[in-house]
Amino acid sequence: AQSVTQPDIHITVSEGASLELRCNYSYGATPYLFWYVQSPGQGLQLLLKYFSGDTLVQGIKGFEAEFKRSQSSFNLRKPSVHWSDAAEYFCAVGSSSGGYQKVTFGIGTKLQVIP
Amino acid sequence: DAGITQSPRYKITETGRQVTLMCHQTWSHSYMFWYRQDLGHGLRLIYYSAAADITDKGEVPDGYVVSRSKTENFPLTLESATRSQTSVYFCASSGGLKGGAQEQYFGPGTRLTVT
Repeated sequence: AQSVTQPDIHITVSEGASLELRCNYSYGATPYLFWYVQSPGQGLQLLLKYFSGDTLVQGIKGFEAEFKRSQSSFNLRKPSVHWSDAAEYFCAVGSSSGGYQKVTFGIGTKLQVIP
Repeated sequence: DAGITQSPRYKITETGRQVTLMCHQTWSHSYMFWYRQDLGHGLRLIYYSAAADITDKGEVPDGYVVSRSKTENFPLTLESATRSQTSVYFCASSGGLKGGAQEQYFGPGTRLTVT
């Protein structure tokens, strides 16, 4: 069974500081990996995704993530955080079995940005 | 141009009442999903649909019923609401045409309170 672990439930960073959100997954084959962001009162929005190819993927809003198969990780990074990045971030792993797309979400990491 | 919409956005109902949450998407996506979001649990899949008239259970289907007579609509019904169904409900859709897990597009959510 596939699963996702986001070990940090809550993270606080200063505006302008760098950010790394951790994500570890469990899946038997090559996974499909996603990062979503949820602003307060909103639905989830896709930040970036990895299916294959270059293990460093670029997303929207200046985010990037790196797939490391040996560590079963897909950490999200941003070199300089802006106050508008305060939100909840969800890592997700997907698979395709018999035509059904199964996507499992982590429990989320809430990011607080302080001045 | 609306994308994916949910109605109502907020609902308060009493225990034992039937409630239907609506979801409508304008992309003609084949896959549609219903999730509930609860603190500490992230997003959990309730039901999904691969096409019109094809639905299947997700992780937490008990107490819920879905139907999909048209590609664009995917209503979720709570047959007899319970307090444990107080949650934020998200509808999502996905193209799923290329095979493999595709990114999902989320609606704004419905906050349901069962008293």
